Amino acid sequence: NAGVTQTPKFRILKIGQSMTLQCTQDMNHNYMYWYRQDPGMGLKLIYYSVGAGITDKGEVPNGYNVSRSTTEDFPLRLELAAPSQTSVYFCASEPVRGYEQYFGPGTRLTVT
Amino acid sequence: EDKVVQSPLSLVVHEGDTVTLNCSYEVTNFRSLLWYKQEKKAPTFLFMLTSSGIEKKSGRLSSILDKKELFSILNITATQTGDSAIYLCAAPGSSNTGKLIFGQGTTLQVKP
Repeated sequence: NAGVTQTPKFRILKIGQSMTLQCTQDMNHNYMYWYRQDPGMGLKLIYYSVGAGITDKGEVPNGYNVSRSTTEDFPLRLELAAPSQTSVYFCASEPVRGYEQYFGPGTRLTVT
Repeated sequence: EDKVVQSPLSLVVHEGDTVTLNCSYEVTNFRSLLWYKQEKKAPTFLFMLTSSGIEKKSGRLSSILDKKELFSILNITATQTGDSAIYLCAAPGSSNTGKLIFGQGTTLQVKP
């Protein structure tokens, strides 16, 4: 199993540009999550999904959108990038009610 | 509102020292508490604690949960430079979706 994979690893965006961060897991986990981690801070939940077709907002959803058309994929969309979205983004997945989340390697995003 | 708080936020020690990291929580319908180690990239799972007073051990690392006082500690004995990392504490939120509430993290630096 590859586990949780994320692309790209790094990206620099200009203010107002859009992009999609990709996340794929091959463990057939129903639960998937997007977190952001700012320097010196813990992880903040952006969006989560409990299964294909079902998504919900986390603590910091503003400026982001997600979709979950398949069990494997959970892309995160930034529509109008802002400097406040400069962060490291982690995707994670979890077997049903397992509470041990498996993390992807992260995407480092800079918005200038 | 569910909350997880870690202390100290940062710590500098020398090789061979013993360190104790703290995590307190306020979570409705508490089920478990997890510890992660984060080096350069994604967090990696260390321990999951569900029962009060039962120590979990893995080599030089150990952790214990106190459900009465609502905290957990992570101990690292005979620290090595490879223990330098951010240590994250998390608990599933009360919404029962499996999403984790993370603390801010403790940054540990072990000097030779």
